[in-house]
Amino acid sequence: DQQVKQNSPSLSVQEGRISILNCDYTNSMFDYFLWYKKYPAEGPTFLISISSIKDKNEDGRFTVFLNKSAKHLSLHIVPSQPGDSAVYFCAASDEGGSEKLVFGKGTKLTVNP
Amino acid sequence: DTGVSQNPRHKITKRGQNVTFRCDPISEHNRLYWYRQTLGQGPEFLTYFQNEAQLEKSRLLSDRFSAERPKGSFSTLEIQRTEQGDSAMYLCASRLSSNYGYTFGSGTRLTVV
Repeated sequence: DQQVKQNSPSLSVQEGRISILNCDYTNSMFDYFLWYKKYPAEGPTFLISISSIKDKNEDGRFTVFLNKSAKHLSLHIVPSQPGDSAVYFCAASDEGGSEKLVFGKGTKLTVNP
Repeated sequence: DTGVSQNPRHKITKRGQNVTFRCDPISEHNRLYWYRQTLGQGPEFLTYFQNEAQLEKSRLLSDRFSAERPKGSFSTLEIQRTEQGDSAMYLCASRLSSNYGYTFGSGTRLTVV
């Protein structure tokens, strides 16, 4: 039973355009959400997070939107750069319960020059 | 601060052998986590330590797996009687209790032949 779903295995965008990566979750107890970026042969690197008390968090080119009623979050990257090409993982946590992060399967983003 | 260090980076072992991996977290981080990632999947939680105490274990952590963090600093993950299904990337992460910023290591890739 996948509690965090990233339904697009891959996404390709042109340099300078917007990249939108989507994530859905099923567990209503999740109250903290994170995005990680992963290059081959490296561990995941933290990008941005959002608490369930917010609906938007912005950090430079990266913005995360949270729609609690739809149990949906998205990561916007604008403008996209070739160096953003990586696998992006959405993760969720129930801060009041388990310590674990529950990850989606990831979306491979390719930004073409 | 050199980040989270994991050794070895790669391990090839024959089925039935025992293997041990080491994780050195960021020195001031009191929480340490082990995750496992298989091809096409996101990282899956295995276990978590606060200082030297192992506080949470996943059902994925069968009785062939054991993790320790004897002095609240580095941690080891041992797999006994390895099986081909144990082939995966084993990731270690650490963080401070007061901060949600998980830092992952580069992982140990295990191949069981």
